[in-house]
Amino acid sequence: GNSVTQMEGPVTLSEEAFLTINCTYTATGYPSLFWYVQYPGEGLQLLLKATKADDKGSNKGFEATYRKETTSFHLEKGSVQVSDSAVYFCALPELSSNTGKLIFGQGTTLQVKP
Amino acid sequence: NAGVTQTPKFQVLKTGQSMTLQCAQDMNHEYMSWYRQDPGMGLRLIHYSVGAGITDQGEVPNGYNVSRSTTEDFPLRLLSAAPSQTSVYFCASSWTGDDTDTQYFGPGTRLTVL
Repeated sequence: GNSVTQMEGPVTLSEEAFLTINCTYTATGYPSLFWYVQYPGEGLQLLLKATKADDKGSNKGFEATYRKETTSFHLEKGSVQVSDSAVYFCALPELSSNTGKLIFGQGTTLQVKP
Repeated sequence: NAGVTQTPKFQVLKTGQSMTLQCAQDMNHEYMSWYRQDPGMGLRLIHYSVGAGITDQGEVPNGYNVSRSTTEDFPLRLLSAAPSQTSVYFCASSWTGDDTDTQYFGPGTRLTVL
């Protein structure tokens, strides 16, 4: 089956710093790729996704590009805010066909200091 | 439209007690899943369902039962709680259209087993 590896945290940044959280995957075919965010005390929310190679997902200033050459889907933001402090999860379907099941990375905790 | 709802938000059990975690969605999604979240381990799939009357095991099913009598509801039962089941539990749902793999999460149930 498919799998995902995510950089370990925690990541601590100052406000307005540049953010990169690395995510690499192994998969059969070209499944959709996702980033979910979990704010303190809440459930997971879809942050962005890309459904095919070379697609760029974006939302709330975050971006990630589906790169099949490097099997990566790194999350980036040019200027983080304190409100971005959360846990970020990279994910992809368990299998490349639609099954409704996702495989998640272990999560990366981001703390942004004023 | 409430999305995915979970009850209770918090629960404390003694070893050996049983309980049911409730999950409901009002989006007419076919797919529903239960995950547990533990520190450093991301989210792990417990059980999932592709429709009413159909359930299957995920990565960590031992100690948990599920049933799916309606499209809306997907309860998770702990038959005899153990301290190893202390965790945060998330229910998720997704639909069977082109966007099957995007999952929508409930707010979670934080369970402590003493």
